[in-house]
Amino acid sequence: QKEVEQDPGPLSVPEGAIVSLNCTYSNSAFQYFMWYRQYSRKGPELLMYTYSSGNKEDGRFTAQVDKSSKYISLFIRDSQPSDSATYLCAMSGATDSWGKLQFGAGTQVVVTP
Amino acid sequence: SQTIHQWPATLVQPVGSPLSLECTVEGTSNPNLYWYRQAAGRGLQLLFYSVGIGQISSEVPQNLSASRPQDRQFILSSKKLLLSDSGFYLCAWSASFGQGLGDTQYFGPGTRLTVL
Repeated sequence: QKEVEQDPGPLSVPEGAIVSLNCTYSNSAFQYFMWYRQYSRKGPELLMYTYSSGNKEDGRFTAQVDKSSKYISLFIRDSQPSDSATYLCAMSGATDSWGKLQFGAGTQVVVTP
Repeated sequence: SQTIHQWPATLVQPVGSPLSLECTVEGTSNPNLYWYRQAAGRGLQLLFYSVGIGQISSEVPQNLSASRPQDRQFILSSKKLLLSDSGFYLCAWSASFGQGLGDTQYFGPGTRLTVL
């Protein structure tokens, strides 16, 4: 079983809809949770970073962490065609000397005009 | 602000040829550095990481090697490329331990390698 599970999609939504993405994990030691956005043929860029449980909002993006259920989510409100990309979740445990991240496989999102 | 550079952006190499990909980071000191490979439609596979000059750890045994000759320079090499080495190679950096930024990694633009 992988440490981080993420549905690869593709997830197709109409413009203006809410995009809902999630990852589940098995390692209860994870404390740092990230979401990256990766456009085709580009490097991943950091979207959201959260520590421990709770919600974090940044513009149209909301990240949620539920450590009791080992489940994290990313919501994109008022989705735009420019949001079409692959979204990767990533997480790590207590910071050690080099900070290895566990990545999900990524979910491809397509926002249609 | 910090920036990360990779070159070349695209590379086509014959099987059996050598490889050298370079990554440099600006605007930070003593970063942790990482090399990943991403096969088409697949997730990120960590290849190497480094916490300091000359300190390299390998995650996956293969015909690739990495070196860190300077604090902010990370090089991925191979003496003889295989067809299976094709993929998208990404370099990333994170703050070293104790800088209060968790384990957030920042990625470069990537190098697309095709081995024919």
